[in-house]
Amino acid sequence: QKEVEQNSGPLSVPEGAIASLNCTYSDRGSQSFFWYRQYSGKSPELIMFIYSNGDKEDGRFTAQLNKASQYVSLLIRDSQPSDSATYLCAVSGGKLIFGQGTELSVKP
Amino acid sequence: GAVVSQHPSWVICKSGTSVKIECRSLDFQATTMFWYRQFPKQSLMLMATSNEGSKATYEQGVEKDKFLINHASLTLSTLTVTSAHPEDSSFYICSALDTASTDTQYFGPGTRLTVL
Repeated sequence: QKEVEQNSGPLSVPEGAIASLNCTYSDRGSQSFFWYRQYSGKSPELIMFIYSNGDKEDGRFTAQLNKASQYVSLLIRDSQPSDSATYLCAVSGGKLIFGQGTELSVKP
Repeated sequence: GAVVSQHPSWVICKSGTSVKIECRSLDFQATTMFWYRQFPKQSLMLMATSNEGSKATYEQGVEKDKFLINHASLTLSTLTVTSAHPEDSSFYICSALDTASTDTQYFGPGTRLTVL
C-alpha cells in the first residue's frame, strides 16, 4: 500500500513568516511529486511539481525533494493571509496518491 | 497553464434522477482523466480513472453501474450519476493528465451536487 503522510495541522504562522510544509512517502520508486493548494469549497490548484533531488523555486514557493530520505517539502516565503488553505502533497504512480493535507493559517 | 473545465458548477436534483457532469481539457489533449469525490472536511477520494476510447477503471467500493463514465474524445470525459440519492450529494472533481508536457494532473473547478 503506497502511502503519503503529511501533518494535518493546523499550521499557524504570522504574516511575513516562512511556512514549512512537510511530506513523506513510502514508495521508493516514486518519480514525480506535486504540491496542490485547496481553498475551502474549491478544487485543488497546482502550485509546483518536482522530479529531481534538490530545490525548485517559483516565486515565493520552494519545493525540496530528498529521494534518499523519501521526503518532500514546500516552503512559502513571506506568507500572506491569502495563502491560508489546505496544502496537498501528492506522489504520482499512474494515479496520484495524496496525503491528507496540511491546513495552513496565516495570521495578519 | 493547462485549463480544465467542468459543467455544471452546481446542480440540484430530485432523488431518483440522473445527473451528467462534463469535464473538458481546454488547451491540451488528455488520454487519461480522473474523477474524484470529496465530502466536507474530508480528503479527495479517487472514484475512477477514465481512459479515452476504453472502459474506465473504478476504485474499490465505487459502483460502476451507478457512476457511469464515458471518455469519448481526447478532451471530454463525462460522469453520470444514475438514480441519484441524497447520500450521493458531494463535490465531484475531475482532473486531466497532461502527458505531453509534465505528466501533471490539472483539476477542474468541481461540481457541487445536491440531491433532495
